[in-house]
Amino acid sequence: EPEVTQTPSHQVTQMGQEVILRCVPISNHLYFYWYRQILGQKVEFLVSFYNNEISEKSEIFDDQFSVERPDGSNFTLKIRSTKLEDSAMYFCASLLSGGTQYFGPGTRLLVL
Amino acid sequence: AQSVTQLGSHVSVSEGALVLLRCNYSSSVPPYLFWYVQYPNQGLQLLLKYTTGATLVKGINGFEAEFKKSETSFHLTKPSAHMSDAAEYFCAVSEHTGTASKLTFGTGTRLQVTL
Repeated sequence: EPEVTQTPSHQVTQMGQEVILRCVPISNHLYFYWYRQILGQKVEFLVSFYNNEISEKSEIFDDQFSVERPDGSNFTLKIRSTKLEDSAMYFCASLLSGGTQYFGPGTRLLVL
Repeated sequence: AQSVTQLGSHVSVSEGALVLLRCNYSSSVPPYLFWYVQYPNQGLQLLLKYTTGATLVKGINGFEAEFKKSETSFHLTKPSAHMSDAAEYFCAVSEHTGTASKLTFGTGTRLQVTL
């Protein structure tokens, strides 16, 4: 069964460093999402992406964040200058149609 | 704007007992409703969803949920809990607008199953 994959599974970085989180959505899906889950809290929407552009973003998704689909398979989330409060589990999701988003296993980001 | 309220951050049941996890939503348009399960240190797995049609939906692992528009609820049930059901359960809503809108999640309910 096709699945969403994410790399790396864990990343530790120093405050102020740039990180790129990578996702490979399900191959025929058209819509792509990033969510995050701070430890012990609920899952929060960051951004959605369709037809090579951002379709919606939350107030969390400020100028420090960017997304890209550099080729036909990868979908990346870049955090330009990480802060301590960016420490969280980041989930990628993809959707073909009909409402069901399929989630990847997540990348646990720790900012020191 | 859409929102989800999950009553009870922790629920404990005995093995074999009924599981009832509560979810209420608000949405300005007809909603799509979802339950996801998260096992420790894992991602989110879809349990079941409601989009249109039959209001009682069945999912994996014996779970089901009923959409009640008048009560704006989508409670999750399972007749008999199993130890392997111990996990965190998230209710989510997206707006049925014809485009693929974001999911808004509740705060989650941690289900504990005891012997």
